[in-house]
Amino acid sequence: QSALTQPASVSGSPGQSITISCTGTSSDVGGYNYVSWYQQHPGKAPKLMIYEVSNRPSGVSNRFSGSKSGNTASLTISGLQAEDEADYYCSSYTSSSTPHVVFGGGTKLTVL
Amino acid sequence: QLQLQESGPGLVKPSETLSLTCTVSGGSISSSSYYWGWIRQPPGKGLEWIGSIYYSGSTYYNPSLKSRVTISVDTSKNQFSLKLSSVTAADTAVYYCARGWRIFGVGGLDYWGQGTLVTVSS
Repeated sequence: QSALTQPASVSGSPGQSITISCTGTSSDVGGYNYVSWYQQHPGKAPKLMIYEVSNRPSGVSNRFSGSKSGNTASLTISGLQAEDEADYYCSSYTSSSTPHVVFGGGTKLTVL
Repeated sequence: QLQLQESGPGLVKPSETLSLTCTVSGGSISSSSYYWGWIRQPPGKGLEWIGSIYYSGSTYYNPSLKSRVTISVDTSKNQFSLKLSSVTAADTAVYYCARGWRIFGVGGLDYWGQGTLVTVSS
């Protein structure tokens, strides 16, 4: 069981917007601005899409945005494209037990 | 362009020690800005953070694995390594090395190796 909870799957049509949630606790998502989001295509390494809640690394499309409210972080993808179909993982710093990094269970995005 | 490459045996026997090395090219592992970490992904499952190391040798481990994990760094070779002892079939996974920033990489993991599959089986 993952420390952060994500929906198993989400879907959307090309051009639409979707949001993936990542729910934790005040010991992780809610307590710190260290939430990251990763995109993973089959057989590939994860790619950093959002860091520190809402920042985009250089080269990542501005169609990807991140936010946080309370203990839940969100990744929004606007103007869905076929290439966005992938697994998405959130991660966060956690102060639970020994401080470390925790990941969500992952969300499969299907572009219809 | 920074590149990370994992290397090591693809098959390990139960109860033995898994050993992997990550070679960093295109940049220095001794940069004061970054931490170097290991993440794994069992087949068909999600990501799990194993731990990370700073070039000075400071280490940070997932508490669920801490008793079996050792991460070390060799700045002269621009490499860092992972050892996981007493492995079982549950340790079968693709193992990734990655670069991160902020303490032990909580700021984000921006460069990843391609990953290497390690199977635990007799």
